[in-house]
Amino acid sequence: AQSVTQPDIHITVSEGASLELRCNYSYGATPYLFWYVQSPGQGLQLLLKYFSGDTLVQGIKGFEAEFKRSQSSFNLRKPSVHWSDAAEYFCAVGFNSGYSTLTFGKGTMLLVSP
Amino acid sequence: NAGVTQTPKFRVLKTGQSMTLLCAQDMNHEYMYWYRQDPGMGLRLIHYSVGEGTTAKGEVPDGYNVSRLKKQNFLLGLESAAPSQTSVYFCASSWAHTEAFFGQGTRLTVV
Repeated sequence: AQSVTQPDIHITVSEGASLELRCNYSYGATPYLFWYVQSPGQGLQLLLKYFSGDTLVQGIKGFEAEFKRSQSSFNLRKPSVHWSDAAEYFCAVGFNSGYSTLTFGKGTMLLVSP
Repeated sequence: NAGVTQTPKFRVLKTGQSMTLLCAQDMNHEYMYWYRQDPGMGLRLIHYSVGEGTTAKGEVPDGYNVSRLKKQNFLLGLESAAPSQTSVYFCASSWAHTEAFFGQGTRLTVV
């Protein structure tokens, strides 16, 4: 079965510093990949997605992610974090076969210090 | 354009009571999903549907039933609520093999 690992449960970053959130998936097929963000008490908002093509994808709010097939990874990055980025971030993976559904990681909570 | 709408937003049930959560989407999506979110567990798929009149089990289906009588609606039922079903429930919809759009969630407490 497919699985998604987000190794960091919590990350604290100083405002203005760079950010990288890690995501690894396991499955043999070609994946399509997503990052979602969830603010407290809210639903999930899509940050960015990868289906094919350029392995570096740009998203909203200044985020980007890079798909590395050899490492089965899809890490999320932002060059300069703002206090408003404090939220929980979820990586999700699906596959372009049959009735594939999205599988989510357990999330990484981002805390931003002044 | 409302997207995905869930009702109710909050509910408190007593153990053994039943209830139905309603999800409606106005994007003409084929796929609809019900997830539950618990602290430290991420989102886990309960049931999903790939089209009107079809449903399938997800990762954690026990204690829940679903129905998709109309393409735009996906109902999640709890026949006999248990404290273990205290959670935040999210409905989502999508086209096949694309991103999912989420509702705002239903916070359910079973006492």
